[in-house]
Amino acid sequence: DGGITQSPKYLFRKEGQNVTLSCEQNLNHDAMYWYRQDPGQGLRLIYYSQIVNDFQKGDIAEGYSVSREKKESFPLTVTSAQKNPTAFYLCASSIGAGNTIYFGEGSWLTVV
Amino acid sequence: DQQVKQNSPSLSVQEGRISILNCDYTNSMFDYFLWYKKYPAEGPTFLISISSIKDKNEDGRFTVFLNKSAKHLSLHIVPSQPGDSAVYFCAASGWGSGNTGKLIFGQGTTLQVKP
Repeated sequence: DGGITQSPKYLFRKEGQNVTLSCEQNLNHDAMYWYRQDPGQGLRLIYYSQIVNDFQKGDIAEGYSVSREKKESFPLTVTSAQKNPTAFYLCASSIGAGNTIYFGEGSWLTVV
Repeated sequence: DQQVKQNSPSLSVQEGRISILNCDYTNSMFDYFLWYKKYPAEGPTFLISISSIKDKNEDGRFTVFLNKSAKHLSLHIVPSQPGDSAVYFCAASGWGSGNTGKLIFGQGTTLQVKP
């Protein structure tokens, strides 16, 4: 089945530790995105990538890092510099920038 | 600066009636608009979209209306069903004036359809 796979679904992290969220897509999409959703709030863009080996900061990139070494993969690292990392993280992809984006199932990150 | 706004955080409708969800935007360069539906702890799913060359798009029970002069779009669900209860996000994208085609989302409206 084609789709977007995020892992892990649930993740607990101690303060001061970095953690990496995985996102893989087999839709042959060029563009990939990371969003964050906080309770009662909308979706805020962290980083996006329109093509392999290229990515841009979104609205809330501070404390996060990404890489796009392969077309199908766009991992997100939540660093210890991110002040409020506890949130629901959503990966998405689209054929290209400006097209309909499709989301994965999300990953819950809790900092304890 | 919120470029896409959903001013109603919640909406409650009786089963079988019409649900109308509203969305306003400020950027006149937006030319593609979408609605997504989201259940708790799941990723949003794409519902319906409309480009700025149209003022209406229909797909089954879902219709999106676009009023470019008012910078307003709405999603109509007729008839509403209990399974429609979810959070609905509108989103917009466009090119030019610093936009790069990425989607900008509203804050979401929680729809509750009562049996």
